[in-house]
Amino acid sequence: ETGVTQTPRHLVMGMTNKKSLKCEQHLGHNAMYWYKQSAKKPLELMFVYSLEERVENNSVPSRFSPECPNSSHLFLHLHTLQPEDSALYLCASSQDIFRLTSGSTDTQYFGPGTRLTVL
Amino acid sequence: SQQGEEDPQALSIQEGENATMNCSYKTSINNLQWYRQNSGRGLVHLILIRSNEREKHSGRLRVTLDTSKKSSSLLITASRAADTASYFCATDVAIQGAQKLVFGQGTRLTINP
Repeated sequence: ETGVTQTPRHLVMGMTNKKSLKCEQHLGHNAMYWYKQSAKKPLELMFVYSLEERVENNSVPSRFSPECPNSSHLFLHLHTLQPEDSALYLCASSQDIFRLTSGSTDTQYFGPGTRLTVL
Repeated sequence: SQQGEEDPQALSIQEGENATMNCSYKTSINNLQWYRQNSGRGLVHLILIRSNEREKHSGRLRVTLDTSKKSSSLLITASRAADTASYFCATDVAIQGAQKLVFGQGTRLTINP
């Protein structure tokens, strides 16, 4: 257990459905991330939140909508997805997004992921 | 090509043998991290090596970093069936003024009993 949980673990949805992925971290971290992992592709960073504020959006389509109500919870709202959006969606957290002392990124702790299938 | 590229893409060895995976990157870094992922699960952090370090050990893991060649290697000694997983290197790079963690495509390691 990494201290980061994700629900649901598996999700099948049609292109017209609306669903949400949930991530919760129990580590007292300030930063949370959404990644997309597709077959034979590197992990793609989608969104970064620091202290509940979005600091990064890597040109993700608007059919993905993140929400961070507090530093422990992160949601990814999905609507009108496409079959090519089928992937493993991973949530991660880290103490901070950037360490002023070392000028480097923090270790990230990942949840188990949600396997999403869009029909 | 990617900032972090692992080599080989797949590796299959017998239990007890040593496994070596390599990672190459392009830009200067502050640190390099190795992660492991069991099939369909999240990534687990294994080890972090800073740019001013050349070698680091953690249990059966040994990581080296050669900043002049922009490469790192992960050695798993005395491999076990439970080591079967994908292994990713991640480098922190400056993109548009912010430090970000960029992952490679990974090496799929299979340990045969």
